[in-house]
Amino acid sequence: QQQVKQSPQSLIVQKGGISIINCAYENTAFDYFPWYQQFPGKGPALLIAIRPDVSEKKEGRFTISFNKSAKQFSLHIMDSQPGDSATYFCAASNNNDMRFGAGTRLTVKP
Amino acid sequence: DAGVIQSPRHEVTEMGQEVTLRCKPISGHNSLFWYRQTMMRGLELLIYFNNNVPIDDSGMPEDRFSAKMPNASFSTLKIQPSEPRDSAVYFCASSLTGTANTGELFFGEGSRLTVL
Repeated sequence: QQQVKQSPQSLIVQKGGISIINCAYENTAFDYFPWYQQFPGKGPALLIAIRPDVSEKKEGRFTISFNKSAKQFSLHIMDSQPGDSATYFCAASNNNDMRFGAGTRLTVKP
Repeated sequence: DAGVIQSPRHEVTEMGQEVTLRCKPISGHNSLFWYRQTMMRGLELLIYFNNNVPIDDSGMPEDRFSAKMPNASFSTLKIQPSEPRDSAVYFCASSLTGTANTGELFFGEGSRLTVL
């Protein structure tokens, strides 16, 4: 069932650094690629999303880069802050069928 | 507006007992999803409903699991009989689909199930 592969499993970054999380997918029918952020004890919440007609989307310190031919996309967190410490999930969906990556636990050290 | 509401938040039960998890989606949303989260397998889609109709239940692990959505504002996920390997956090999520669909899922805070 693992249709979306995510790496790394865990990531430690210094405050102010850049966090990069990568995902790859197989199903070319996917047409929506969101990233979700999850804090302990909470459900995942949408952070940023992209559709395959653009190669990049930026919202504040968060950027998605999308490579349709390689079937890969990544999340970049600029100027990482301790408050960004959470688990990040990439996902891919087609209509109502949304599949998640395994998650990346990000720790930003002060 | 209230988000997706799940109950119970925590459930501890013994192997063989029946477990029922409940979900109230966001009012007006027409799609509802049940996910299971474990350290080993991450977030797994179990089943989703569109307009109260089950569309894809291929993720339901086995016959011990069943889900219902009797109306637009309520869904249940039942495990009977429960086993220790069912221990996980179960999330319900809802979304609004259609031409204005953003694709965003809104998750509840989850139900943490422990089967002893």
